[in-house]
Amino acid sequence: AQTVTQSQPEMSVQEAETVTLSCTYDTSESDYYLFWYKQPPSRQMILVIRQEAYKQQNATENRFSVNFQKAAKSFSLKISDSQLGDAAMYFCAYRSYNAGNMLTFGGGTRLMVKP
Amino acid sequence: GAVVSQHPSRVICKSGTSVKIECRSLDFQATTMFWYRQFPKQSLMLMATSNEGSKATYEQGVEKDKFLINHASLTLSTLTVTSAHPEDSSFYICSAVRQGLGAGELFFGEGSRLTVL
Repeated sequence: AQTVTQSQPEMSVQEAETVTLSCTYDTSESDYYLFWYKQPPSRQMILVIRQEAYKQQNATENRFSVNFQKAAKSFSLKISDSQLGDAAMYFCAYRSYNAGNMLTFGGGTRLMVKP
Repeated sequence: GAVVSQHPSRVICKSGTSVKIECRSLDFQATTMFWYRQFPKQSLMLMATSNEGSKATYEQGVEKDKFLINHASLTLSTLTVTSAHPEDSSFYICSAVRQGLGAGELFFGEGSRLTVL
């Protein structure tokens, strides 16, 4: 079974600064997907970014980018130019390529943004 | 983008009663939906996989007689918490798979907060 670990329960960043959230995972599979989801106080899960394991290039979405290290099984999220609206819980998630669309979530990191 | 709607968003019930939560995919058909449970300040834990036209697949430790799942149509899955007790109080979230190119895309509902008195 796959496991996803987020070692930072809480992180804090100054507005306009950059912050990196860590995520590691354990799997014996070679093909899979990795995701970062944002859960603001409304509790709605919002997809931030996704990465296919077969792609070497790191995914980017505007101010959000990942550092995907397949050999190290690491998948960190970098948020640049942090904004107050970025404050939320962030969940790293793993999805097997072949075993359906089920997601395995990490424990989450609460990001606080200071004005 | 695709929309998944959950209803009700909040429900309070008395201990011993049953509560039904609906999950609808509004603009696409979903043969597969997932039900998650989230305790305060914790992550999402998968409860079961709901498959249209067949029985749900429950994760280990989830009581299938307690949490009844029905996926009778391609746009609706329901979770019924039977004989609810205070320990069932939680935030329940569904997600639906929109099939397309590749492995499909997941969309989440807004969640339903259940409080059992």
